[in-house]
Amino acid sequence: LAKTTQPISMDSYEGQEVNITCSHNNIATNDYITWYQQFPSQGPRFIIQGYKTKVTNEVASLFIPADRKSSTLSLPRVSLSDTAVYYCLVGRSGAGSYQLTFGKGTKLSVIP
Amino acid sequence: NAGVTQTPKFRVLKTGQSMTLLCAQDMNHEYMYWYRQDPGMGLRLIHYSVGEGTTAKGEVPDGYNVSRLKKQNFLLGLESAAPSQTSVYFCASSYSAERSGRLSTDTQYFGPGTRLTVL
Repeated sequence: LAKTTQPISMDSYEGQEVNITCSHNNIATNDYITWYQQFPSQGPRFIIQGYKTKVTNEVASLFIPADRKSSTLSLPRVSLSDTAVYYCLVGRSGAGSYQLTFGKGTKLSVIP
Repeated sequence: NAGVTQTPKFRVLKTGQSMTLLCAQDMNHEYMYWYRQDPGMGLRLIHYSVGEGTTAKGEVPDGYNVSRLKKQNFLLGLESAAPSQTSVYFCASSYSAERSGRLSTDTQYFGPGTRLTVL
């Protein structure tokens, strides 16, 4: 299993862009990078997934360098409602196998 | 669509008692999962299923059993509850997608959780 390392916590003011970086030095060729968001007392929710370069959706952007040993989740202009724990997962599942691990995540606190 | 639902939402057990947690999904997903989450920790996989009638062990399977008799349901059983099993339990489901010739990581849809306390 690919091990991931991300900051335990981050603080940001409302309206700022937030970048959360995840390190995954032993990522395998077929591994994807996925980010989930979890609010207190709720199950995690999928944010974004990518394999290489840049992926953007209506919520966030994901930047993956060519060596794929790290990735950065970018949240534009955060609001108080973005206060949550963000998990970086590296691995793959499907065809009868499951090789993913949720780490401890990054607790993002958005300050007014 | 209700998505993923879990029953019950809360439960208090005494040590040694047994119980079953029910997870149901209406998205026709092949894969289903049970996780536990302890305070300040990420999610740890207990058991998972890649299809009806199949189950597999995850990271922390001891003390739990599961069954997937129907595609839409995934049951988690505790035969003899212990205080160490006090936790929040999340169920999730996903379908397998393949992109560009490589198997992608399936998007998992999570239920609201079951808070279990074992005294």
